[in-house]
Amino acid sequence: DIQMTQSPSTLSASVGDRVSITCRATQSISSWLAWYQQKPGKAPKLLIYKASSLESGVPSRFSGRGSGTEFTLTISSLQPDDFATYYCQQYDGYPWTFGQGTKVEIK
Amino acid sequence: QVQLVQSGGEVKKPGASVKVSCKASGYTFVSYGISWVRQAPGQGLEWMGWISPYDDNTNYGQKFQGRVTMTTDTSTTAYMELRSLRSDDTAVYYCVRGHSYFGHWGQGTLVTVSS
Repeated sequence: DIQMTQSPSTLSASVGDRVSITCRATQSISSWLAWYQQKPGKAPKLLIYKASSLESGVPSRFSGRGSGTEFTLTISSLQPDDFATYYCQQYDGYPWTFGQGTKVEIK
Repeated sequence: QVQLVQSGGEVKKPGASVKVSCKASGYTFVSYGISWVRQAPGQGLEWMGWISPYDDNTNYGQKFQGRVTMTTDTSTTAYMELRSLRSDDTAVYYCVRGHSYFGHWGQGTLVTVSS
């Protein structure tokens, strides 16, 4: 199975900060990577697919980049609604696998 | 608008089976796969498998092979049955539209396995 490792596990930041989350795969997954945001008690929400494509309706302060084994999700200016847990997911090789999550907390 | 509405929570004893339903609406059901993803309490997300409503083709995660069955019917409903339940199967089970990345999620169904 392809293992996905996110860093950091927890990130403390303030409103207006630029924050980045890294996701690394144990083997190349080309650009077959998605990012999700999840708030407590809610289903995850798709933010980014194919590493850098912004899902319709997602604010442009979210962006994704990377290919191969290393990927980054960046929030250009953190907003109060962005405090949540973020997951990456690869869909290059079965079984699809998720990172362990990165919790973005208020500093 | 796309909607996936799941059945209600379940409490099961170890060794039992559970069948969760997912009623899809707002799109052409046979045009998209339905996947199932679960999340244990306080834990991350785990992909279980997917089914094509078009031809009933399935792909199950090896971890669940032999214990899970995914089906669909003509009422645009998808089902996920998990057998031989264990305590570590306690989780929220989500149906999601798509077979690769997931833009539409059901509200989740909590399955609790406890003696």
